[in-house]
Amino acid sequence: NAGVTQTPKFRILKIGQSMTLQCTQDMNHNYMYWYRQDPGMGLKLIYYSVGAGITDKGEVPNGYNVSRSTTEDFPLRLELAAPSQTSVYFCASSYGIGNYGYTFGSGTRLTVV
Amino acid sequence: QQPVQSPQAVILREGEDAVINCSSSKALYSVHWYRQKHGEAPVFLMILLKGGEQMRHEKISASFNEKKQQSSLYLTASQLSYSGTYFCGTAILTGGGNKLTFGTGTQLKVEL
Repeated sequence: NAGVTQTPKFRILKIGQSMTLQCTQDMNHNYMYWYRQDPGMGLKLIYYSVGAGITDKGEVPNGYNVSRSTTEDFPLRLELAAPSQTSVYFCASSYGIGNYGYTFGSGTRLTVV
Repeated sequence: QQPVQSPQAVILREGEDAVINCSSSKALYSVHWYRQKHGEAPVFLMILLKGGEQMRHEKISASFNEKKQQSSLYLTASQLSYSGTYFCGTAILTGGGNKLTFGTGTQLKVEL
């Protein structure tokens, strides 16, 4: 049982490049989330999904896009990377509303130069 | 709006107790607590639901004061393994899929 798997673990991008951060979960969770974590700033919600085919914006969606074609996968797309997108990105999933915590992936450390 | 955590940092000797607070200006449905060790992902500790009971995870417990919209995390007889950054995450009851807003964290260091 792998939980939430994120790839890659590390990536360096040049300004203006694009990339996709992959996230997959094998727990049959309906809800999935993308957060970014900057030093001393906690976790900020980028996008979330309540099920396949349904996505919505979080607090900081600008510069990112997501899709949810299956229950398992929730990739995050960065278009035209900027230095402000340098951060650690965490994908998380949960079973639903109520007494269910989040399971986080191990994170992707992204540097834009 | 981001919940406010206090203190920002605390240093304990092994065996000492600590309390971490999390306050929100909004009416909450639930409060989650997570611990993150350096370079790792946050790990779920416990959840407090509106109208629910105080929760416990090993020697760590938490409460939720609905009148004050405040949750407190109690670390009893701290161990070296308790070191890390503790985050509260708050959820309001909307159609928004249990999305959490996280506080800025409390850094806890337990020393011998």
